[in-house]
Amino acid sequence: EVQLVESGGGLVQPGRSLRLSCAASGFLFDDYAMHWVRQAPGKGLEWVSGITWNSGIIGYANSVKGRFTISKDNAKKSLYLHMNSLRAEDTAFYYCAKALPRGGSKYYFDHWGQGTLVTVAS
Amino acid sequence: EIVMTQSPATLSVSPGERATLSCRASQSISNNLAWYRQKPGQAPRLLIYGASTRAIGIPARFSGSGSGTEFTLTISSLQSEDFAVYYCQQYNDWPPLTFGGGTKVEI
Repeated sequence: EVQLVESGGGLVQPGRSLRLSCAASGFLFDDYAMHWVRQAPGKGLEWVSGITWNSGIIGYANSVKGRFTISKDNAKKSLYLHMNSLRAEDTAFYYCAKALPRGGSKYYFDHWGQGTLVTVAS
Repeated sequence: EIVMTQSPATLSVSPGERATLSCRASQSISNNLAWYRQKPGQAPRLLIYGASTRAIGIPARFSGSGSGTEFTLTISSLQSEDFAVYYCQQYNDWPPLTFGGGTKVEI
């Protein structure tokens, strides 16, 4: 069974940093691209960042480019999101998502974690 | 950036009725479109990919159609668990991947 478990969320002051983690199990983590998608409370889904299976290609939403860094540790079967210079508008549930197709370059998401809440406030 | 527009924002239907949800892309995305259902307090769940292919475990009452810029998700007979928010997502080009604003299906 595929499982994605996010952690690292919490309350943080504007301008500070936070690192989210996503522990994966139940599939060949090495072979799949992984992404982060966020959802502000009561709002819609917003794609944040994605990384290919071998970390060869990385992409970011304009709203986080230059502040967030995605990384993938295949040995630890973990996905990370380093978030710097946090703003109030970054407040959201952050989901990690497993992308399909395997080895492809056009991504949709067949499994999602339960999400971790990041609240940016003073 | 490809902008995805969903309509209507809210759809009021009764159990057992048919629901038709629309999604429009600002430019052609071929058939690179996915649909998700999100129940309150839960993560989204993949329903449809490739505009019309049901994901594993998705019942036949869900069907998708369309290509290019116009897409439709049809739920043939609404069950109680289908009252939720539905999102479309284009994956023709990234970054960025983009979602529609969602359609809430309510009783």
